[in-house]
Amino acid sequence: AQTVTQSQPEMSVQEAETVTLSCTYDTSESDYYLFWYKQPPSRQMILVIRQEAYKQQNATENRFSVNFQKAAKSFSLKISDSQLGDAAMYFCAYRSPANNDMRFGAGTRLTVKP
Amino acid sequence: DAGVIQSPRHEVTEMGQEVTLRCKPISGHNSLFWYRQTMMRGLELLIYFNNNVPIDDSGMPEDRFSAKMPNASFSTLKIQPSEPRDSAVYFCASSSTWGGRSNQPQHFGDGTRLSIL
Repeated sequence: AQTVTQSQPEMSVQEAETVTLSCTYDTSESDYYLFWYKQPPSRQMILVIRQEAYKQQNATENRFSVNFQKAAKSFSLKISDSQLGDAAMYFCAYRSPANNDMRFGAGTRLTVKP
Repeated sequence: DAGVIQSPRHEVTEMGQEVTLRCKPISGHNSLFWYRQTMMRGLELLIYFNNNVPIDDSGMPEDRFSAKMPNASFSTLKIQPSEPRDSAVYFCASSSTWGGRSNQPQHFGDGTRLSIL
């Protein structure tokens, strides 16, 4: 079974600075999908960004980008120009194309300091 | 567009009582998921449905938990009898599957915070 590991339980960043959240995963599949979700205190689960494993180009969404290293099974999230509203729990998730199973990491709590 | 709708948003009840959580997926989505989130165990997949059929319920903790999806626009998660250790946030999510391939993200509801006293 696939596992997703987020090794940073907590991270902190100064407003307007850049922060990178780490995620690694374990799989024997060659085709899969990766996601980052954000969960603010309101507890909504909000999709931030996604990456298809067959695409070499790293996904970007405005201030959010990923560094996808397929060989290393690494999928880090970079947040540029951090804003106070970025403060939340961030979850990395793996989804197999073979089924609907989605595996989540334990999450990283991001604090943004003014 | 309406997202995934869950009700109630909060539920407080005494142990032993029956609890029913409700979910309306996004229209057109053919897959529905129930998750439980706790501090200790994080996000756990309880069960998921594809085209209203339960596909994998291996995450359901025990027989006290049951889930149904009578049609494409409604699902319930029931706990009977409830216990204090069932206290958690329960999320429903939906997504679409094309040709059997699950390349779409899951869209989550706002969750139900369940407290069993």
